[in-house]
Amino acid sequence: GAGVSQSPRYKVAKRGQDVALRCDPISGHVSLFWYQQALGQGPEFLTYFQNEAQLDKSGLPSDRFFAERPEGSVSTLKIQRTQQEDSAVYLCASSLRDSGNTIYFGEGSWLTVV
Amino acid sequence: SQQGEEDPQALSIQEGENATMNCSYKTSINNLQWYRQNSGRGLVHLILIRSNEREKHSGRLRVTLDTSKKSSSLLITASRAADTASYFCATDYKRGAQKLVFGQGTRLTINP
Repeated sequence: GAGVSQSPRYKVAKRGQDVALRCDPISGHVSLFWYQQALGQGPEFLTYFQNEAQLDKSGLPSDRFFAERPEGSVSTLKIQRTQQEDSAVYLCASSLRDSGNTIYFGEGSWLTVV
Repeated sequence: SQQGEEDPQALSIQEGENATMNCSYKTSINNLQWYRQNSGRGLVHLILIRSNEREKHSGRLRVTLDTSKKSSSLLITASRAADTASYFCATDYKRGAQKLVFGQGTRLTINP
């Protein structure tokens, strides 16, 4: 596709429910990132993949958060037993390769936990 | 803690005026990128400046980088109503991997 595609765009989950957010990066992009953005704040890094390898997951806030990219293209961010503080926009981004390349962001998945 | 911090947090100017936003960071960087975010939308990449560059232009945008002061500025000339958005700087400081660290952004409002 022309850009980074994310789905769903909006998700309302009941507290305790599991959610899965999908990211389809730009074709050919090796690097994929997930960020979390709370209302009125800047994005915060969650995790980074290079192809299928998850090279950095230092930003994942708890073991309820899990990300995968099994074939090195589409990625899924899963949040188990959602809590109200998980409410945020989850942004996916991709880039061609390593440092120095432009990182392109998707429109985000807006998660509201009620 | 935030690596990049924008200043001011909010800026309101008249259409046609120039808008300047600043960003400061704490550690050495590989490069610095500026992004725009319209309300309810994703981040749009504006410009990337590398650590060995001092100034870059793209249309009405001018970005400067002063590594000795660990700061950058984004200038938007001849502002338009469509420039109303939040602007973020993001630094890439980890060698060999892109891990952008964002500031909290500057909320820019252009009044017609």
